[in-house]
Amino acid sequence: GESVGLHLPTLSVQEGDNSIINCAYSNSASDYFIWYKQESGKGPQFIIDIRSNMDKRQGQRVTVLLNKTVKHLSLQIAATQPGDSAVYFCAENPQGGGADGLTFGKGTHLIIQP
Amino acid sequence: NAGVMQNPRHLVRRRGQEARLRCSPMKGHSHVYWYRQLPEEGLKFMVYLQKENIIDESGMPKERFSAEFPKEGPSILRIQQVVRGDSAAYFCASSPGRGRAEAFFGQGTRLTVV
Repeated sequence: GESVGLHLPTLSVQEGDNSIINCAYSNSASDYFIWYKQESGKGPQFIIDIRSNMDKRQGQRVTVLLNKTVKHLSLQIAATQPGDSAVYFCAENPQGGGADGLTFGKGTHLIIQP
Repeated sequence: NAGVMQNPRHLVRRRGQEARLRCSPMKGHSHVYWYRQLPEEGLKFMVYLQKENIIDESGMPKERFSAEFPKEGPSILRIQQVVRGDSAAYFCASSPGRGRAEAFFGQGTRLTVV
């Protein structure tokens, strides 16, 4: 079965609000996690990654939090914009890096309301 | 620097025909990964190749599917005797090396088997 899963299939937020997308994983040996954004008709786009020796990493308007105790990952998007509308996938790589053998969750569809 | 180029973008095949999907990695990238995405699903890893070598094909179906990445030219994912269940989006990603965090995905090829 899936080793990576998302709690909610759809998340609707007001433009300008912060968004939090959650992800659970089951492989405690996983060393590397990535968040991808996929817009309709396009390929996944790398957003941010984090290794298991960290619990937080920040990018531009995005923050990823990793809680290894409960095997939980979250993506926070600050001041959500219409262009943030997409499906967001978390992915894990037990091998510790690269794009070989990534296990993707099913995705959360983020909808931005005006 | 062009991104990962996949063609065709859309491919329609009748049951029993062959499908050939092409992927040209980003300039300077020698590592290619193929993923399959079913509707409303996350991506599933299929195969990881370097030039002239298959590194990891643990996600490839045992029959009808093959992949290559020749010394010259694009990587090819080949599906023989397609069936309706092969209908999916097939994505290729490339990276400069194994263990390098960021892999860039192409726009995908949407295969429809009729």
